[in-house]
Amino acid sequence: ELKVEQNPLFLSMQEGKNYTIYCNYSTTSDRLYWYRQDPGKSLESLFVLLSNGAVKQEGRLMASLDTKARLSTLHITAAVHDLSATYFCAVGESGGGADGLTFGKGTHLIIQP
Amino acid sequence: DTEVTQTPKHLVMGMTNKKSLKCEQHMGHRAMYWYKQKAKKPPELMFVYSYEKLSINESVPSRFSPECPNSSLLNLHLHALQPEDSALYLCASSQDSGAGGRVRAFFGQGTRLTVV
Repeated sequence: ELKVEQNPLFLSMQEGKNYTIYCNYSTTSDRLYWYRQDPGKSLESLFVLLSNGAVKQEGRLMASLDTKARLSTLHITAAVHDLSATYFCAVGESGGGADGLTFGKGTHLIIQP
Repeated sequence: DTEVTQTPKHLVMGMTNKKSLKCEQHMGHRAMYWYKQKAKKPPELMFVYSYEKLSINESVPSRFSPECPNSSLLNLHLHALQPEDSALYLCASSQDSGAGGRVRAFFGQGTRLTVV
C-alpha cells in the first residue's frame, strides 16, 4: 500500500523567509504532484515531477524529486502572504493503466506580514 | 481548454433523496476520477474510469454509483446518503497513455455536498 507522508503539517512563517516542505512516499512511483488548495476551493496544480532529479520552479516555489530516496521537496523562497494556503503532495503508483493519486495529509502554511 | 467542469457547485440533499453530480472535460483525457475530501483532510480516491470502464473502486459504499456515459462525461449518482457523506466531491481527469505516460491531473472546482 502506497503511503505518502508530508511534513510539517502546519507551518507559520514570516514574510521574506525561506522554508521547505518535505514529502516522503513508500513505494516506487513514476510521478509526483504538488497542489495548492485555498480554503473552500479546489486543488490548483503547481508541479508534476516525472523523473529522478527533476526540478521545477515557478515564482517563489521550487519543487524537486529524488526517486531513489523517495523524497520530494517544495521550497519557498522569500515567502509572501499570498502563498498562505494548504499544500499537498500526491503520488501515483508505477505501472501502466489509469490509477488514482494518493495524497499526503497536507501542509497548512500561514505566512504572516 | 484545460478545464474540468463540475455541477452543481453546492448541493444540499436529504437522506432519502436521489441526486447526481456531473463532471465534464474536453481535453481528450481518457482517465477520469472521483475523489472525496472531508474538511481539513486530503482528497481520497473513490473511483477511476479508464476508457469509460471502471478500473478502480476503492471500496466505496453502494449508495455512491459512478457512471461514465462517454469519454467527456463522468457522473456520480447519490442515493440514501448519510450526514457523514457531507464533503467536497472532486472530479479529475488525466491523460492516460496506458504506458505510464500520464502527466498533469486536472481537478474540477468540486461540488460541496451537505446531507441533512
